[in-house]
Amino acid sequence: GIQVEQSPPDLILQEGANSTLRCNFSDSVNNLQWFHQNPWGQLINLFYIPSGTKQNGRLSATTVATERYSLLYISSSQTTDSGVYFCAARMDSSYKLIFGSGTRLLVRP
Amino acid sequence: GAVVSQHPSRVICKSGTSVKIECRSLDFQATTMFWYRQFPKQSLMLMATSNEGSKATYEQGVEKDKFLINHASLTLSTLTVTSAHPEDSSFYICSAWDSSTDTQYFGPGTRLTVL
Repeated sequence: GIQVEQSPPDLILQEGANSTLRCNFSDSVNNLQWFHQNPWGQLINLFYIPSGTKQNGRLSATTVATERYSLLYISSSQTTDSGVYFCAARMDSSYKLIFGSGTRLLVRP
Repeated sequence: GAVVSQHPSRVICKSGTSVKIECRSLDFQATTMFWYRQFPKQSLMLMATSNEGSKATYEQGVEKDKFLINHASLTLSTLTVTSAHPEDSSFYICSAWDSSTDTQYFGPGTRLTVL
């Protein structure tokens, strides 16, 4: 099945810094989503981005489907950005979203 | 965005009892819902896919007789953990697929502790 890998596994930032999170996937996908899991466990949808670039405030994401990766950019990070960021991908021939192992982000004041 | 609710948020039960968890899509209809399990500091593992009006599809290694899934309507799926044991303690998360946007939305999760 499809493999989804995220890097880095852990990231510590000072408030105000920028960061880039990466998601590599092993097969062609027709669905890719980025999520933020807050400290209470709730998964919050950030982007639906099987290809192209999207922006939402301080966050933006780019997926290059032909090269099988996606990037999540966080600019001017805030302490409330702390948590775990997951990407999840679905293969063309499947109905299942497969999750990466996540990037654990800590933003310090 | 779309909202998915899950109830209860937290449950503690004795070994051998059964626990039912409800997952509801509040503002859209979901023909397909999913159940995940998450261990501390790990990723989400798909347990099963729930299709309205038909039997659930279980992932390899998931006991269908232990984790009973029912998807009786387009807005409700339930997961029943039967004869729960301490090793079933975990964080269970459901999601609902919004076909109009091809996006999965997740519930807030249920933390199950089996004593």
